[in-house]
Amino acid sequence: QLQLQESGPGLVKPSETLSLTCTVSGGSISSSGYYWGWIRQPPGKGLEWIGSIYYSGRSTYYNPSLKSRVSIALDTSKNQLSLKLNSVTAADTAVFYCARLVVIISTSYFDSWGRGTLVTVSS
Amino acid sequence: SSELTQDPAVSVALGQTVTITCQGDSLRSYYASWYQQKPGQAPTLVIYDKRNRPSGIPDRFSGSGSGNTASLTITGAQAEDEADYYCNSRDTSGYPVVFGGGTKLTVL
Repeated sequence: QLQLQESGPGLVKPSETLSLTCTVSGGSISSSGYYWGWIRQPPGKGLEWIGSIYYSGRSTYYNPSLKSRVSIALDTSKNQLSLKLNSVTAADTAVFYCARLVVIISTSYFDSWGRGTLVTVSS
Repeated sequence: SSELTQDPAVSVALGQTVTITCQGDSLRSYYASWYQQKPGQAPTLVIYDKRNRPSGIPDRFSGSGSGNTASLTITGAQAEDEADYYCNSRDTSGYPVVFGGGTKLTVL
């Protein structure tokens, strides 16, 4: 069974870069046809899609509201995906999830999720 | 990018049927998928591609849709169904994902 686990600092200072890693087990991030993505959820608020990357690493899509600050990458040697969000502010405080994304002609959906990790932006 | 709109809160009596809706222009082109999220937990996929249930999801959960509206119906709501529910679909602007704002379901 596919398992995803987010890891990284739980506290980041304002203006610095938030860096998270998602380790995938029980399957390969190079599995053909899948995307991998990051989603965040500020405390008490809804889900916000951050961005997604194709299994080959050749295509990335970012939420337009975050595009100028975000970068997602794959490390196939470690079966990991990463997230970098720079110039963070308190508004970036959230639980961050990694998930596997299925994109087909008719729809898209996240079929496996990590447990999430809380990142607080504060000095 | 597109937006998906959900009612912030819905309630249902125990054992009754409830429908949660999701509206948006992208739903005229793409089907919706639905997630259940309980407090302190990650979301769980309950319906994908309009009406398909992943393995392990009770058959009281069903999905449908028409025009710019997608619906998640729980037939015979149980206490354990009390949760937040989110819809998502593809975005007509070319992005692979757009989420609805979520609906808090209370089972009375």
